[in-house]
Amino acid sequence: QLQLQESGSGLVKPSQTLSLTCAVSGGSISSGGYSWSWIRQPPGKGLEWIGYIYHSGSTYYNPSLKSRVTISVDRSKNQFSLKLSSVTAADTAVYYCARAFSPAFDPWGQGTLVTVSS
Amino acid sequence: QSALTQPASVSGSPGQSITISCTGTSSDVGGYNYVSWYQQHPGKAPKLMIYEVSNRPSGVSNRFSGSKSGNTASLTISGLQAEDEADYYCSSYTSSSTLGVVFGGGTKLTVL
Repeated sequence: QLQLQESGSGLVKPSQTLSLTCAVSGGSISSGGYSWSWIRQPPGKGLEWIGYIYHSGSTYYNPSLKSRVTISVDRSKNQFSLKLSSVTAADTAVYYCARAFSPAFDPWGQGTLVTVSS
Repeated sequence: QSALTQPASVSGSPGQSITISCTGTSSDVGGYNYVSWYQQHPGKAPKLMIYEVSNRPSGVSNRFSGSKSGNTASLTISGLQAEDEADYYCSSYTSSSTLGVVFGGGTKLTVL
């Protein structure tokens, strides 16, 4: 059974870069037909798609975040990562990683809260 | 990318059926059969309930069904149970601006 687990810093200072990693277990991140995605949810608010990376390495990002986002894959470690630069308080959210197909997201990681504060 | 439009809340009694709507445009919901629905209980990660408009993943109850007409998709839950009380989100592939995904604002389902 595929499982995803987010990890990274839970507290980031304004203007710095948020970095998160999603470890994939129970399957290979190199499996064809899937992409790997990041989604976030500010406290008490709805879901926002951040972006995904395809098996080919192609990336697609939410236009509102595109200038600040980088998603990459480390196949040797079976994990993928998110970097979000120049963060502000508006980037405070629970960040989820998920496998994507069709595109639908399943399964999801448990989520990790990232707070932007000095 | 504009968010898809969902009602903020819906409610129903145990055993009843409810429907949650999700309205977009011809660039997302209306243009592709790539609408998904997610259930999220408080403090938990979302769970995929429906994909490609009307398909249920393995393990999801057949009380959950999806459909689409024009630019509006719908999630119907029949035989409401207390455990169905949760937030529900729709999402769709979108061809506007970038080849990505847009979510609805979410609907709080209350089982009376």
